[in-house]
Amino acid sequence: GAGVSQSPSNKVTEKGKDVELRCDPISGHTALYWYRQSLGQGLEFLIYFQGNSAPDKSGLPSDRFSAERTGGSVSTLTIQRTQQEDSAVYLCASSPDRGVVYEQYFGPGTRLTVT
Amino acid sequence: GQNIDQPTEMTATEGAIVQINCTYQTSGFNGLFWYQQHAGEAPTFLSYNVLDGLEEKGRFSSFLSRSKGYSYLLLKELQMKDSASYLCAVSNWGGKLIFGQGTELSVKP
Repeated sequence: GAGVSQSPSNKVTEKGKDVELRCDPISGHTALYWYRQSLGQGLEFLIYFQGNSAPDKSGLPSDRFSAERTGGSVSTLTIQRTQQEDSAVYLCASSPDRGVVYEQYFGPGTRLTVT
Repeated sequence: GQNIDQPTEMTATEGAIVQINCTYQTSGFNGLFWYQQHAGEAPTFLSYNVLDGLEEKGRFSSFLSRSKGYSYLLLKELQMKDSASYLCAVSNWGGKLIFGQGTELSVKP
């Protein structure tokens, strides 16, 4: 079946502009995660949605970052007033509600470059 | 706090065995994951350990000791295609993953 998809695959924006990144999780997956990965670094957790529960926003680096998940499916990560340090690959992952095991399936990512 | 340590780089020879270590200190523990990430691609799931001991899956095995906060990924019969970054991640209560920096493995002929 279809995997996690993300759009756009690449985004170049000017410093100070707002950007929206989209994630389509695997159908039926109740959990959705956003991470970012700077060049040569590990993945940094940003935000986590699980079903109808309040999202875990503990990883968002500043109030310029926000995310929403509409209808329990598609998610949008918004970065306002982008800064050069926001340049990174933004990865989305989803997982089924399997109780103990939370294997996450990753999308191909959106490479964001802020000039 | 949360801290996950793994070596930055490793080099091994085709056909050999390599062990990638990971130590962790986290505020909660609900399992340890290993992911493989080829350059420019998304991470893909390799293994999951929640109980102490060894989990074997083909050429790859993963070990966990919760009392020592320690895991390793063992890759046997190395192939050139195994050259990739290997990410250790701990799941805390609630399901989110805390990742280490990744170990860049280079397999040489």
